[in-house]
Amino acid sequence: DAGVIQSPRHEVTEMGQEVTLRCKPISGHNSLFWYRQTMMRGLELLIYFNNNVPIDDSGMPEDRFSAKMPNASFSTLKIQPSEPRDSAVYFCASSMGAGTGEYEQYFGPGTRLTVT
Amino acid sequence: GENVEQHPSTLSVQEGDSAVIKCTYSDSASNYFPWYKQELGKRPQLIIDIRSNVGEKKDQRIAVTLNKTAKHFSLHITETQPEDSAVYFCAASRTNTGNQFYFGTGTSLTVIP
Repeated sequence: DAGVIQSPRHEVTEMGQEVTLRCKPISGHNSLFWYRQTMMRGLELLIYFNNNVPIDDSGMPEDRFSAKMPNASFSTLKIQPSEPRDSAVYFCASSMGAGTGEYEQYFGPGTRLTVT
Repeated sequence: GENVEQHPSTLSVQEGDSAVIKCTYSDSASNYFPWYKQELGKRPQLIIDIRSNVGEKKDQRIAVTLNKTAKHFSLHITETQPEDSAVYFCAASRTNTGNQFYFGTGTSLTVIP
């Protein structure tokens, strides 16, 4: 397996623009997590899905952020409109899922977002 | 919810010495404790984990200990090497309620050759 795939790897956009980050989890994994990493706040969980269903989105900073998982092999994180304070590295991670006995989360390479 | 605290935030050791990173957690129902290593510009990767039914686990030069009563766990790296330089994150999770990880704030380890 190629591991968790994220695109784009780098994104530079202007304030006010819409940004869409994409993630393909490892095949067979049932849980998917979106994290944001900054120097100031460390690794923050934004939202996670089990079997394509959002379970906890309490980490989503505000209504400008939204996430979807239309099927088991694809998820998006959208920011609209983007602001400079959204600049960060966004990681997607996947795991086998609760109840499987395997709990490791595998991280993708991340998307480095810069909002000017 | 769970609160994980991690200390120290930075750590410098001489090559060959040991390094210890400590974490505490607040939710007594947490039962899975992974440690991730993140090299500069790279993704976090699991290096070792421990479950609540075990007090200690070793894998070559790294070991993790867990004290459920005190709600703290530690990462021990022996015979440190320059390639151990990275940021290390601890986490706690309740695997029976979704496997959500609560991460510590990270420890930047520098191994001085």
